[in-house]
Amino acid sequence: AQKVTQAQTEISVVEKEDVTLDCVYETRDTTYYLFWYKQPPSGELVFLIRRNSFDEQNEISGRYSWNFQKSTSSFNFTITASQVVDSAVYFCALDTGRRALTFGSGTRLQVQP
Amino acid sequence: DTGVSQDPRHKITKRGQNVTFRCDPISEHNRLYWYRQTLGQGPEFLTYFQNEAQLEKSRLLSDRFSAERPKGSFSTLEIQRTEQGDSAMYLCASSSQGQGINEQFFGPGTRLTVL
Repeated sequence: AQKVTQAQTEISVVEKEDVTLDCVYETRDTTYYLFWYKQPPSGELVFLIRRNSFDEQNEISGRYSWNFQKSTSSFNFTITASQVVDSAVYFCALDTGRRALTFGSGTRLQVQP
Repeated sequence: DTGVSQDPRHKITKRGQNVTFRCDPISEHNRLYWYRQTLGQGPEFLTYFQNEAQLEKSRLLSDRFSAERPKGSFSTLEIQRTEQGDSAMYLCASSSQGQGINEQFFGPGTRLTVL
């Protein structure tokens, strides 16, 4: 069985602060994919990144960066210099080839001006 | 707009009534998924189509739920004899078999309220 845990239910920061969203996953499969999605107040899930289990290189995209560590089964997401527009619920998800994504319960990020 | 579209965006119904939702995937995407999201939770998988074939169904999909994808294009999700516990956001997603591994694009969802 697979499971994704996002222990942080809600985080509140002030604009320009850096913030890290944690994601821990469980799977017995050796090949799998990890995702992060953003869900703004409008409700539509927006794809942010995909990472496969064989690629542990960290990735940076603008103010976003991701740290994948197989040893701790974690795939954390950092926003640098947060902005009000970053306010949303962020979901981590796992795909073990079954086609269905297994989502965590999400972390609500509030960025105060 | 070439994204995933869903209709209606909101549906309020009385307990016991039947409801039907529609999803139009991104053109050329041969895979289509339905998820259900309740307040404060992440989306939960309901069912998956590859072209017109329904290949997987979650145990969450009780016999009151039925999904179809005739001709492998749009899909419908019907809930019969709705219950208050069916109140949720129903999300549709699509992906392309040849476009990376399961990068699913989601629609705006249909929010169902059962009174």
